[in-house]
Amino acid sequence: DTGVSQNPRHKITKRGQNVTFRCDPISEHNRLYWYRQTLGQGPEFLTYFQNEAQLEKSRLLSDRFSAERPKGSFSTLEIQRTEQGDSAMYLCASSTPGQGYGYTFGSGTRLTVV
Amino acid sequence: ELKVEQNPLFLSMQEGKNYTIYCNYSTTSDRLYWYRQDPGKSLESLFVLLSNGAVKQEGRLMASLDTKARLSTLHITAAVHDLSATYFCAVDDYQLIWGAGTKLIIKP
Repeated sequence: DTGVSQNPRHKITKRGQNVTFRCDPISEHNRLYWYRQTLGQGPEFLTYFQNEAQLEKSRLLSDRFSAERPKGSFSTLEIQRTEQGDSAMYLCASSTPGQGYGYTFGSGTRLTVV
Repeated sequence: ELKVEQNPLFLSMQEGKNYTIYCNYSTTSDRLYWYRQDPGKSLESLFVLLSNGAVKQEGRLMASLDTKARLSTLHITAAVHDLSATYFCAVDDYQLIWGAGTKLIIKP
């Protein structure tokens, strides 16, 4: 297992279009997180899954954002009707209890809305 | 509201010098993490601190955690240019709450 994988690495889209990102966590990790990071800032929590259940969503996650984790494996994050303010790096992380509580991050998907 | 404050936010130093980055937080969590981020890259885990008094060292970096003072430090010894990056601390409160990051520039 080579770690957390995110696709695509970069996405440029026109305002108003929908985009979807994918995250493949480390296979034995049952927890998966989405964060958003804008330039010069620390990451901001978006949402969290334990297995297939979405347990928490940030108030940052407007109704234009939706995340799924079918079958508790990979996860997708969809943004509908993108706005310029959605431009950011979207980071996925996975973890599992009993492994020092460490979180492993993927390489991220950089979204640019033009 | 849980807050995590790092200082300094920017640090420029010469190779060979020592310095400390501070991370103060406002929750009672006893799990704190340090990450490194290079420009345009993702986050690399440096240290996981899980209890009061925890101290971990890797090369020229040493991290410590004082849960009573709600303070963690990242100490850099004899800095080298390759350590130039942005360093984040994050507190685990069932989600990670992040500091704003310390941009470290080490001049050869």
